[in-house]
Amino acid sequence: LAKTTQPISMDSYEGQEVNITCSHNNIATNDYITWYQQFPSQGPRFIIQGYKTKVTNEVASLFIPADRKSSTLSLPRVSLSDTAVYYCLVGDELDSSYKLIFGSGTRLLVRP
Amino acid sequence: SAVISQKPSRDICQRGTSLTIQCQVDSQVTMMFWYRQQPGQSLTLIATANQGSEATYESGFVIDKFPISRPNLTFSTLTVSNMSPEDSSIYLCSALTGTGVNEQYFGPGTRLTVT
Repeated sequence: LAKTTQPISMDSYEGQEVNITCSHNNIATNDYITWYQQFPSQGPRFIIQGYKTKVTNEVASLFIPADRKSSTLSLPRVSLSDTAVYYCLVGDELDSSYKLIFGSGTRLLVRP
Repeated sequence: SAVISQKPSRDICQRGTSLTIQCQVDSQVTMMFWYRQQPGQSLTLIATANQGSEATYESGFVIDKFPISRPNLTFSTLTVSNMSPEDSSIYLCSALTGTGVNEQYFGPGTRLTVT
């Protein structure tokens, strides 16, 4: 399983766009890139997943360059409720263990 | 999607005792997992709960300390045995429904304090 590197923390203000970049230099051909969000006192929640280029859903966008060695989670117009820890993970859909290995995550603080 | 509940939500236990945490999913799932999370830290995978067979443990975790059961496709238990204060942590279960690669659903966690 490829290791990921993210900033430990980020600060933002309400209404701004937040971009969190994750490095995964050793990503394998079959690996997908997945992001989870965790609020205090809750379990992580799946946000978005992609393989290449750009993926968008109602919560966020995920940008993946052609070499796939990094990815950027984009949160448009954040609010106070987006304050959470965001985890980037890479995993192999062909790996029958389906294990998720969490890195340190990025602690996002949204200020008024 | 899947909704996961855990019991108890929190407990305070004395050292040397054991606690069994229950994890219930509202639908049949392909795989279930148990994690541990120290306050302010990331999640550490303890084991994969296999239905009908012994759990698969990650390095550093053993069956004698963390016995796991999974009698069917919607339920699993994790027992923390012979507890010490170092076992104080949040224990979370998760489930993979099979609808998305790497898309796991997590329970709310069980906050365990060992005194």
